[in-house]
Amino acid sequence: QSVLTQPPSVSAAPGQKVTISCSGSSSNIGNNYVSWYQQLPGMVPKLLIYGNNNRPSGIPDRFSGSKSGTSATLGITGLQTGDEADYYCGTWDSSLSAMLFGGGTKLTVL
Amino acid sequence: EVQLVQSGGGLVKPGGSLRLSCAASGFTFNTYSMDWVRQAPGKGLEWLSSISSTSSYIYYADSVKGRFTISRDNAKNSLYLQMNSLRVEDTAVYFCARDPGITGTTELDYWGQGTLVTVPS
Repeated sequence: QSVLTQPPSVSAAPGQKVTISCSGSSSNIGNNYVSWYQQLPGMVPKLLIYGNNNRPSGIPDRFSGSKSGTSATLGITGLQTGDEADYYCGTWDSSLSAMLFGGGTKLTVL
Repeated sequence: EVQLVQSGGGLVKPGGSLRLSCAASGFTFNTYSMDWVRQAPGKGLEWLSSISSTSSYIYYADSVKGRFTISRDNAKNSLYLQMNSLRVEDTAVYFCARDPGITGTTELDYWGQGTLVTVPS
């Protein structure tokens, strides 16, 4: 069981918006930046969001991140079938001196 | 173009050892922290270890502490993971990844292609 809690799955229709939550504690999300990763089926993980809400070059602005207290949220608008993937949040845990990943959320675009 | 090319995976008996390598190119390797992450079949991502640019700071997940050793050779632009006392539960695809250190918190912006390590029961 992961220290960072994500819903196992979310779904929405093409063109709609979806949010994925990531819940932690003061030792991790509460005091460190959060990153988000997309892993398409059979592919290598890809950095989507870093520093809570920043997108690396090449990531469309349909993807957004936010953080409040000990929780973070990934938002995806204008859903496309190509967005179907597993999404992971990640952050450093200052107490464990370790990076943590959430358990992952499978996005289905119906 | 940033590239991380991994090698060294394979089949190893329980209790055995294996060394993974990650050859970096396309960036100034000796200025970046590097990490190892694994993914067991059908499971999520698990962070394993991180090493700073000069090897001054090294961190491990509890699951591999004392069994795995991360190292780097900046002259060869290479990252390594020495894995000893391997267990069945270490079966996974192993990824090396670059940490740009933009925020001071670990974020992994480039990943290797992954290499499968299988420890049969």
